[in-house]
Amino acid sequence: QVQLQESGPGVLKPSETLSLTCSVSGGSMSGHYWGWIRQTPGKGLEFLGYLYSDGGSNYNPSLKGRFSIVVDESKNQFSLKLTSLTTADTAVYFCVRTRDGHYFDSWGPGILVSVSS
Amino acid sequence: IQLTQSPSTLSTSVGDSVTITCRASQSIRSWLAWYQQKPGKAPKLLIYRASNLEDGVSSRFSGSGSGTEFSLTINSLQPDDFATYFCQQYDSSPYTFGQGTTLDIK
Repeated sequence: QVQLQESGPGVLKPSETLSLTCSVSGGSMSGHYWGWIRQTPGKGLEFLGYLYSDGGSNYNPSLKGRFSIVVDESKNQFSLKLTSLTTADTAVYFCVRTRDGHYFDSWGPGILVSVSS
Repeated sequence: IQLTQSPSTLSTSVGDSVTITCRASQSIRSWLAWYQQKPGKAPKLLIYRASNLEDGVSSRFSGSGSGTEFSLTINSLQPDDFATYFCQQYDSSPYTFGQGTTLDIK
């Protein structure tokens, strides 16, 4: 059973860049899609994007190029980068495994990220 | 694609059967998943492709529908089932979620 765990800073300031890491254990990263979802009380669950192990990607266009994912299979990790933060980026961020690039069959416990001046 | 769940909240009792509806703003064929989320936890996949039960999920959960109207039914509610349920479409990107339906104890 694959397990995911997010790590990273909990508080950032507007205009800064968010970097989160997801550590994967209990399974191989090869041949799977790895992604991120966030959740806020106001907007609910929001798909951010995923990256396939061969480099193919699917990013939410609402993020307007601020978002990227990098997969490092040698470390069993993948990471999120979100630039030009605003207070609207305050959310719980979940790393996920995406089955066939469609739905989300494994989730990390989530990490709360607050953006505040 | 917008997904609208109804009701937003449902007050029910242990042993009841409940049905939650998810309506899509356009046809998503059968590309719909259902998740359960408990407070402070990550969502858990229950159903994919509208009616396929994820391994390890109780057979008391079932999904149906296609096109724009879908439902999740939970039979013989157990105390552990009181949670929030979300639908998610993966017909077209960006994938989107419903706003959630919360089951609480009457």
